[in-house]
Amino acid sequence: AQSVTQLDSQVPVFEEAPVELRCNYSSSVSVYLFWYVQYPNQGLQLLLKYLSGSTLVKGINGFEAEFNKSQTSFHLRKPSVHISDTAEYFCAFGFGNEKLTFGTGTRLTIIP
Amino acid sequence: NAGVTQTPKFRILKIGQSMTLQCAQDMNHNYMYWYRQDPGMGLKLIYYSVGAGITDKGEVPNGYNVSRSTTEDFPLRLELAAPSQTSVYFCASSYPKATLGYGYTFGSGTRLTVV
Repeated sequence: AQSVTQLDSQVPVFEEAPVELRCNYSSSVSVYLFWYVQYPNQGLQLLLKYLSGSTLVKGINGFEAEFNKSQTSFHLRKPSVHISDTAEYFCAFGFGNEKLTFGTGTRLTIIP
Repeated sequence: NAGVTQTPKFRILKIGQSMTLQCAQDMNHNYMYWYRQDPGMGLKLIYYSVGAGITDKGEVPNGYNVSRSTTEDFPLRLELAAPSQTSVYFCASSYPKATLGYGYTFGSGTRLTVV
């Protein structure tokens, strides 16, 4: 069955430190991969996406993600986080039908 | 461009009451979706629609109904509210197919509490 797993439900990070949020997927076919961000009391916004081509994808607010087909991963990274990055982050994937499948989310907390 | 508009933003219902969550988009998107978000559970698909007059069930459709009479509107109906339906509800749209790389545009959500 197709699925997406976010291993960390909560990640606390000191301000200006680097962060990696992990996402693994399970699929027997090629997939499209997305990261969405949800700021407190808001809807979800698209952060970045991988469709094809270069495996390193850059998104908004200094985030980037790397697609690794052999490890079926799409981890999100930022070299230096800011207090404004406090949010919940969702990994999602699709594989040819109309619906995206979302992970359970990772709550990123920035410690001043 | 308003994007996806959800109303109301907050609502408290009593057990057994009914209500309709409204969702409208002005981007001429064919595909629309309803998700519910519960803490630690991510987003679960309730219903979706690939165009006017066409709807289909998602993972958690029980207790909900939808209709899609126009491209713009996709209301979600709760007939007999239950405490298990306390959640945050998100409407989303995409064109033409989310999985072709366009992703979804989300509304700002409706926070529903059933007491």
